[in-house]
Amino acid sequence: SQTIHQWPATLVQPVGSPLSLECTVEGTSNPNLYWYRQAAGRGLQLLFYSVGIGQISSEVPQNLSASRPQDRQFILSSKKLLLSDSGFYLCAWSVVRGETEAFFGQGTRLTVV
Amino acid sequence: AQSVTQLGSHVSVSEGALVLLRCNYSSSVPPYLFWYVQYPNQGLQLLLKYTTGATLVKGINGFEAEFKKSETSFHLTKPSAHMSDAAEYFCAVSDRGGGADGLTFGKGTHLIIQP
Repeated sequence: SQTIHQWPATLVQPVGSPLSLECTVEGTSNPNLYWYRQAAGRGLQLLFYSVGIGQISSEVPQNLSASRPQDRQFILSSKKLLLSDSGFYLCAWSVVRGETEAFFGQGTRLTVV
Repeated sequence: AQSVTQLGSHVSVSEGALVLLRCNYSSSVPPYLFWYVQYPNQGLQLLLKYTTGATLVKGINGFEAEFKKSETSFHLTKPSAHMSDAAEYFCAVSDRGGGADGLTFGKGTHLIIQP
């Protein structure tokens, strides 16, 4: 069966520090991968998605970047965090074709102080 | 473009009472519709989905939803609320054959269960 791992679960970082959140998927090949950010009362905002290694699409211009160095690995990064980067970050995957829902990781609570 | 409106950011019901969470969508093509549940500090879990066929969809934990094209609605219901149903619920729509790249989420409804 397929599983998705996301870590760390919580993170407190000072303003101006770098960020690296990692997400890996097991049990499937060539998944679509996604990073969402969730802010209180604002639903889920799609930040990045990837349909293959090295292929990244950004939905919202921001202080963050994403990379996909391996088929089932998706990384969210920042060189210098801002206070506004605080939030709950969710990684998700879906089958490239045929499936109709996304499967989510457990999320990372990021607090920038 | 597609959009989702969830009426009520917070809904409170008594244990044992009917749960009704409202979702209206807009889509230029026949939509795929989803309800997800999120427990505190966890990811989203799929409750149910509508793709084609029967408009009344049954999901996990006793929830169901009915797709009403004429009303552009996909409201979530459960006959009898349980304390464990307390969570955040998200409605989502996709009109690109599914997959999260085509998903648009509502802002969520926080369900509170009163003892």
